Amino acid sequence: AQSVTQLDSQVPVFEEAPVELRCNYSSSVSVYLFWYVQYPNQGLQLLLKYLSGSTLVESINGFEAEFNKSQTSFHLRKPSVHISDTAEYFCAVTPLGGGATNKLIFGTGTLLAVQP
Amino acid sequence: EPEVTQTPSHQVTQMGQEVILRCVPISNHLYFYWYRQILGQKVEFLVSFYNNEISEKSEIFDDQFSVERPDGSNFTLKIRSTKLEDSAMYFCASRNNQPQHFGDGTRLSIL
Repeated sequence: AQSVTQLDSQVPVFEEAPVELRCNYSSSVSVYLFWYVQYPNQGLQLLLKYLSGSTLVESINGFEAEFNKSQTSFHLRKPSVHISDTAEYFCAVTPLGGGATNKLIFGTGTLLAVQP
Repeated sequence: EPEVTQTPSHQVTQMGQEVILRCVPISNHLYFYWYRQILGQKVEFLVSFYNNEISEKSEIFDDQFSVERPDGSNFTLKIRSTKLEDSAMYFCASRNNQPQHFGDGTRLSIL
């Protein structure tokens, strides 16, 4: 079985400051890793994914995440945040080769609150 | 870009009534999912569906829940006799390869 831990329920940060949202996972098998973002009153949008290859993955809006297998982490970073980045961020995993299921296991989410 | 669409966006139902939540997955996708998110809590897996049958269901998905793909385009979640604790946001998702693509959700409010 897999589990995901997001230790920070809320991260307040000033506009243009850097931010890191932490994600750790536990799994007895290899996993795919994802960050989803949920803006207020909206659904879940894929922000980043790690499937294979380079351990550093980037999004089109300046976020990046690095897969660290030894530390079982997939932390999300942005060097300079905007007000519009205010949202709930969910880390999720699914096992490789899960067949017809491959359900996503989500963390509890981190609310990124960007202040002017 | 193709999207997963869910209707209605908000459903208000009396306790004990049946409710059907509707989803139109991305057209060429083969794997379908329902998740729910109780207010303030994390997103939880309910059920996965492939090749016209349930491939996995969680403990939450008891006999009051059922899923159906009636016509090759819609994917529905039915709750037969709703309870107060069924109040939540329900998300549909679909995929072929990774990742899963989510709809905007249906907010279900049980009175």
